[in-house]
Order: sequence, then structure tokens, then C-alpha cells
Amino acid sequence: DADVTQTPRNRITKTGKRIMLECSQTKGHDRMYWYRQDPGLGLRLIYYSFDVKDINKGEISDGYSVSRQAQAKFSLSLESAIPNQTALYFCATSEAGQETQYFGPGTRLLVL
Amino acid sequence: GENVEQHPSTLSVQEGDSAVIKCTYSDSASNYFPWYKQELGKGPQLIIDIRSNVGEKKDQRIAVTLNKTAKHFSLHITETQPEDSAVYFCAASIYSGYALNFGKGTSLLVTP
Repeated sequence: DADVTQTPRNRITKTGKRIMLECSQTKGHDRMYWYRQDPGLGLRLIYYSFDVKDINKGEISDGYSVSRQAQAKFSLSLESAIPNQTALYFCATSEAGQETQYFGPGTRLLVL
Repeated sequence: GENVEQHPSTLSVQEGDSAVIKCTYSDSASNYFPWYKQELGKGPQLIIDIRSNVGEKKDQRIAVTLNKTAKHFSLHITETQPEDSAVYFCAASIYSGYALNFGKGTSLLVTP
């Protein structure tokens, strides 16, 4: 969905490096999410935020941190990347009180 | 927490045939069940959803059924077409707008 953008779309980094993935949305939604997708494991929730002052851990938050800089921006950071964080990362948004989540195009991350 | 199981992991059908994907969930408090379609290189997109107060919902060639007693729900695609080929994810949520728990996905291939 063009209303949810993610940068970069692809990234290669080395073990131990700090990396930030960014998500921006023009939908005006309050709620934003970060998911990780691994082959055969589906989508797993890393962090979510229901508004600018709200940050919540998801199922697999260890090794990750997030920042909600504004209603429209939600960034995911890997403080010290490790190879098993190689995955496809998706940002999603939803409107408060509505169930439908709208996903960005994803960021493919490779940690060497 | 909620655990969503999805079967089969891969499904191959001939064009024009029907396809059925099944999911079970563990938390009886779950009340929202969406289905997402992910095409190659894109983020998941909602195709249909159902709430716990409804047993069946249909949208053209796609239908979803829910059995709350057995805690399972299914996606039915009739008259399949090659463009239906994608990965399909089921999900469950405990309440409106909460983070989704996804199944591991079903890779559907529709052959001409």
C-alpha cells in the first residue's frame, strides 16, 4: 500500500552494526506495528504503538528497540545486529478502534 | 498467549477448482479473524475478515467460515484463477484494534 512506506527496501549489514529501519504513513492512523517475517514462521510482532506516547513489546522484542517520532513515523532499530535477525520486516498501521491493518512493502535485511 | 495454527503449508490446485485453507486458534477470547494475501515482493493485504458474532461471510469468490465452539475458521476460494496464487495468512485478535497473531501461512499455487 503506497500510503505506508518503508526505507530502505533492502539492506545488507555486518554483525555488530547498528541499523535503523524507518516507516512512514500518510493514512493518519494512530496505531503502528513492526512485524518480522521468516520463511515457514509467518509474521511475528516485534513492537507496537497505539499513539505517540505509547510503546509496547510484542512477541519477539529482544534485540530490537523502537521510536515513535510522530504520529506518522515509527522506526525500528537493531542496536547490534546478529545473523539470526536476517528477515523480512514489515511495518503496519491501523486506525484506532478498527481492526484492519495496512502493511508497507517490507524491508529485506541481511546480516552477515 | 494466542496460538494460531494454519494448514496446509502449501496447496496446489488447478484453475477453476476450489481451495480451502484452515486455521485453529487457542484463545476463546479471540473475536476477530482476518485473512491476508501476500503477493511476491509485497506486504500482506486484507482480503476478508470475520467477527465472532458471525458464522460465515462471503465476498464474490471468497468466503470465510467460523466455528467458535471448535475454535477454527476457514478460507474458501472458489473458481480459482492463476492470479490467486500467493501466500495466505490467517490471524486472530482478542479485541478490536489489538495486535494480530498470525498463522504461518499457506502458499497457494493455481496452475492453468
